[in-house]
Amino acid sequence: KNQVEQSPQSLIILEGKNCTLQCNYTVSPFSNLRWYKQDTGRGPVSLTIMTFSENTKSNGRYTATLDADTKQSSLHITASQLSDSASYICVVKGGSQGNLIFGKGTKLSVKP
Amino acid sequence: GAGVSQSPRYKVTKRGQDVALRCDPISGHVSLYWYRQALGQGPEFLTYFNYEAQQDKSGLPNDRFSAERPEGSISTLTIQRTEQRDSAMYRCASSLASGRQDTQYFGPGTRLTVL
Repeated sequence: KNQVEQSPQSLIILEGKNCTLQCNYTVSPFSNLRWYKQDTGRGPVSLTIMTFSENTKSNGRYTATLDADTKQSSLHITASQLSDSASYICVVKGGSQGNLIFGKGTKLSVKP
Repeated sequence: GAGVSQSPRYKVTKRGQDVALRCDPISGHVSLYWYRQALGQGPEFLTYFNYEAQQDKSGLPNDRFSAERPEGSISTLTIQRTEQRDSAMYRCASSLASGRQDTQYFGPGTRLTVL
């Protein structure tokens, strides 16, 4: 079954600290993996898209990694800011029909 | 506007009524996607179109749900005989193409409440 699992479910960190969010998937065949940021009450906004040949991609303070062999991805946030408080959703495109399969997200709270 | 728009933003209806939710994608975008999102959860795929062709409707929960995109632009998601469990945020997204590196741009969503 094609699934995307994220951990932790929620995370609280202090402003200025780093954190890493995890995503494991069992989607096959694999097309690409995306990380989205979703602020409360807003639609998701794309942070990165990675194919199997890319193992690291950065977008400002966000760095995503992908290990296509172990089917794991991580999103590392450096020097967190209050505005980073949001849900971070891992999405894998793949399967026989090329659908997008969403994880349940990690809710990040950055405290002053 | 430059982004994906959806209407209405909020819809309250009584159980058993039909509702139609509209999505206006970014001009020129080929692909259009519908998702349902329960509170505190990630989006759940419902269906998607390339141009006017419905490519995949495997995510539609049952035959009360249908979608169309007759001219390859605006799309309507229709829910017939609504039930309380249909209450959720319904989000639409569009992408320029359906290739491997397509980015989906999400609309603000329609919050549906079925009483």
